[in-house]
Amino acid sequence: QSALTQPPSASGSPGQSVTISCTGTSSDVGGYNYVSWYQQHPGKAPKLMIYEVSQRPSGVPDRFSGSKSGNTASLTVSGLQAEDEADYYCSAYAGSNNPYVFGTGTKVTVL
Amino acid sequence: EAQLLESGGGLVQPGGSLRLSCAASGFTFSRYAMSWVRQAPGKGLECVSVIGDIGIRYADSVKGRFTISRDNSKNTVYLQMNSLRAEDTAVYFCATLWNYAFETWGQGTMVTVSS
Repeated sequence: QSALTQPPSASGSPGQSVTISCTGTSSDVGGYNYVSWYQQHPGKAPKLMIYEVSQRPSGVPDRFSGSKSGNTASLTVSGLQAEDEADYYCSAYAGSNNPYVFGTGTKVTVL
Repeated sequence: EAQLLESGGGLVQPGGSLRLSCAASGFTFSRYAMSWVRQAPGKGLECVSVIGDIGIRYADSVKGRFTISRDNSKNTVYLQMNSLRAEDTAVYFCATLWNYAFETWGQGTMVTVSS
């Protein structure tokens, strides 16, 4: 199972928006509405930010939003804040045989 | 509050074995599928094993060498790792699976495979 493709980096100034893409195949991203996104600060465990493409867990700010079109999912962070600087990973369900694949990760920098 | 606490990591020689444990608290453990996700130094995330309604699944990179199990009476999930290789060096996280997402994560335990 190959990793999903994300851009290595993305950046924006405070208050601006940044969008991260996550490209897979019809067997994972495109095949199910089970794409999730994770934020990871250095030395910390990942934190779930989005599940089922666009749903936010309780406590996640509405500045974080998700969408999907075909085999590509996207995470948008609006109104960037300093604490949003972190690594972001997507993940997708890929069927019962090899169920979960992660993206390559994107480092978001707040300028 | 749901919490997960991993233990059992350490330094092991190539070809050796380790057993990781993940103790859960603050939620009904038996109702959740569980997973082990690893992260090699400076690298991305990889789901190595899942145990739940779909049964047991392994990443191709660990199939035949790693075994996942759980003891619902002890609220604990395990990862038995045999025939360890240098490329298994990573932080190993356990995580709950909820709505096809990794919801709650432990703090991780470091496994280093080196002679």
